[in-house]
Amino acid sequence: GQQVMQIPQYQHVQEGEDFTTYCNSSTTLSNIQWYKQRPGGHPVFLIQLVKSGEVKKQKRLTFQFGEAKKNSSLHITATQTTDVGTYFCEVTGNQFYFGTGTSLTVIP
Amino acid sequence: NAGVTQTPKFRILKIGQSMTLQCAQDMNHNYMYWYRQDPGMGLKLIYYSVGAGITDKGEVPNGYNVSRSTTEDFPLRLELAAPSQTSVYFCASRRLSNTEAFFGQGTRLTVV
Repeated sequence: GQQVMQIPQYQHVQEGEDFTTYCNSSTTLSNIQWYKQRPGGHPVFLIQLVKSGEVKKQKRLTFQFGEAKKNSSLHITATQTTDVGTYFCEVTGNQFYFGTGTSLTVIP
Repeated sequence: NAGVTQTPKFRILKIGQSMTLQCAQDMNHNYMYWYRQDPGMGLKLIYYSVGAGITDKGEVPNGYNVSRSTTEDFPLRLELAAPSQTSVYFCASRRLSNTEAFFGQGTRLTVV
């Protein structure tokens, strides 16, 4: 079955530092979605990546899809306390699989 | 549009009791899903449906049942509640198989 590894599991950063989470698959992906879940909240869609090597930006967030379409990353520049939450990737194969998530804590 | 609506938001059940978690979406989405999320963990797929009258098992279906008689509604049934079913349950829907998922607010269930 589909194996989706997301690393790191936890990350604590000082406000203003950068943050990156990685999503790795054992198989080639059709596309990948990223979601953010605030503490006590529900996952909210951030972005979808479809093309090999694709890079998309949303303000301080940069999303990248690997050339082989087996991995992806989410990079946040100069974190803020509003970035706190858990970031999940969701990959599309025969079904949809969520990564285990990366929990981000931002220390003011 | 209300999006995806889940009821109730909170529930405490005794071991062996039954209940139905309700999920409704008003976006005319064909695809609907039930996930559970244990504390500090990711989302595990319980059941999903690709359209009215069609349901299928996900990763962790044991102890649960679903039905999909209409496009809008996708209730999740727990027949004999067990402490291992204490979790947060999320319902989600998507328009097409390769589009983003919209989640409900979740139901926090405690089985004691």
